[in-house]
Amino acid sequence: RKEVEQDPGPFNVPEGATVAFNCTYSNSASQSFFWYRQDCRKEPKLLMSVYSSGNEDGRFTAQLNRASQYISLLIRDSKLSDSATYLCVVITSGNAGNMLTFGGGTRLMVKP
Amino acid sequence: DVKVTQSSRYLVKRTGEKVFLECVQDMDHENMFWYRQDPGLGLRLIYFSYDVKMKEKGDIPEGYSVSREKKERFSLILESASTNQTSMYLCASSLAPSGYTFGSGTRLTVV
Repeated sequence: RKEVEQDPGPFNVPEGATVAFNCTYSNSASQSFFWYRQDCRKEPKLLMSVYSSGNEDGRFTAQLNRASQYISLLIRDSKLSDSATYLCVVITSGNAGNMLTFGGGTRLMVKP
Repeated sequence: DVKVTQSSRYLVKRTGEKVFLECVQDMDHENMFWYRQDPGLGLRLIYFSYDVKMKEKGDIPEGYSVSREKKERFSLILESASTNQTSMYLCASSLAPSGYTFGSGTRLTVV
């Protein structure tokens, strides 16, 4: 089983739709969680952190479920510009410090 | 804004060549990382460094080495390039777990 798993998609949704992605992680000792966005042929960029209490940034809501070991990203009122690959990132402490593990990414395509 | 600069956007090298990929960051970050990204496999950590002259193996270090002689520069070395090292290589820099910034990537093709 991969340490961090995501449905690769693609998720094809119309403009204005609400879409949600999940990301599961296997290490219960993982401490920090993030969502990154990666546009085609570009580098990943931090979208938002994921807190236990959940956090919201405009149309984006991120949540963490420690009991079931998954994080989620909800996008409301999808825009064409939201089309990208969304990577979840899990940070776990190890002997050599914090280790960052990426999920394989979920591709979102928003259609007019 | 933190800037992470990778020296080349595209590289084509021959099998057996020694290849250097350079990464420079301008924010005095201790932590630097090299990843490769391949379709269906996602981002995989090759090597990372938490300080000058310090290096740690990531998940897929075979066939690679690194050098961190100065804090701002982290070099990835392919000792003898092979076709299975054709990939997108991404460098990242961080001061803390929440502050990872990536370079724009180097797309390496080994022929």
